[in-house]
This record gives sequence, C-alpha cells and structure tokens, in this order.
Amino acid sequence: QVQLVESGGGVVQPGRSLRLSCVASGFSFSSFGLHWVRQAPGKGLEWVAVISYDGSHRKYIESVKGRFTISRDNSKNTLYLQMNSLRTEDTAVYYCAKGGRGVPFDYWGQGTLVTVSS
Amino acid sequence: SYELTQPPSVSVSPGQTARIPCSGDALPKQYAFWYQQKPGQAPVLVIYNDSERPSGIPERFSGSRSGTTVTLTISGVQAEDEADYHCQSADSNGTYWVFGGGTKVTVL
Repeated sequence: QVQLVESGGGVVQPGRSLRLSCVASGFSFSSFGLHWVRQAPGKGLEWVAVISYDGSHRKYIESVKGRFTISRDNSKNTLYLQMNSLRTEDTAVYYCAKGGRGVPFDYWGQGTLVTVSS
Repeated sequence: SYELTQPPSVSVSPGQTARIPCSGDALPKQYAFWYQQKPGQAPVLVIYNDSERPSGIPERFSGSRSGTTVTLTISGVQAEDEADYHCQSADSNGTYWVFGGGTKVTVL
C-alpha cells in the first residue's frame, strides 16, 4: 500500500534553515507529482509547493517563494523541502502528499512538526 | 488571493444527515475535493471531482455542486464520522491549490 513518511521537523530559531524529507513506498514514485501541504496549530490546511514527476516543474505559494525549495530524488523515492529564512508563521505540521490521476492529493503522510521560535 | 469558505462547525445527532457547504467564486470552473481528518491523523480523501467516492469510502458520503457552492453530505451519521472536513479546489486558472478553513463535525 502507499506509504509516505516525513521526517526532519523540529524546533528552529527565526531566520534559520531546516530540510524536510518524505520517503515514499508502494507506488511508482517517479510517475507522480508530489506536494507539501502544511497546517498551522488549530488552523486549516495550506498548500505549500508541488513538484512534477520528473522534477522539471515546481510551483510555490507566494509566501514561501524565494525561501523554500521543493526537490526530489527518484532514485531514492524521496521528496524534500528545503526551508530557509524561516519565520514564526511557518510553524506548522508539514505533510507530503501524492498527486494522483486527476486528483491533487490522493495519499498523505502523517506529517512532521516544524516550530519556529526564539 | 482566492479563498474557499466553510462553516467552522456542524453538529448532528447519530443517524441524522450532516451537510457541509463550501463556497468559492471559481468552483463553477474547477473540481472540488473533500478530505476527512481525525485528530492527530493525516487527511483522507473522501470525495473527488465534486461527487465521486474513492474505493473504500462508505456510501453515506456524497458530494454535490450548485453554482459557487459545493456540499459534502454525510447521511446516517455515525460516531466514527466525527472529524474535521476540508474542502479543496483550485483557482480559476488551475494555477494553485486552495483549501477551505475546515469544518469540525461533532456527533452529539
């Protein structure tokens, strides 16, 4: 079955960096786009970034452009999110989600918590 | 920026019907999707393309559309349906993805 396992979250000071990883299994990793979606404490979901199946296309929500970079390594079945210049408002649980055939987010990981605090 | 609007909460008695509306100006042009999220768990897709149900999702979950509003209906609500429900769609150009604020369904 499809599994997505995130890691790399933690507590970090404002202005610092963090890299999240998402290891996937149970499907043909190199055939599907992948997303990062976040959820601030007590808030709704917010789409953050997407990368195409081959890594050639990427899109970001406006608030993270220039600070976050989504990437993937199809040889390792792993998705990444490099987060630089972190802000307190980036505090959230970050989920990786698999894109499906006509469905934006058909499977989700359990999430990893990122806390940006001084 | 584009927004989807949902009520923060809906309460329903067991066996009754819960209806959760989600409104957005671009909904006539873009499909809507619904996700169920229980506390401490990842979201699960329950409705795609406005009204289609993934395999494994009970028939009591259904989706519909009317103009700029889509609605998730849970018929014969059960205690296990208590969760947050998030609608999701895209902006009118399909450029980026948007979620509603989420609706907490409480089974009385």
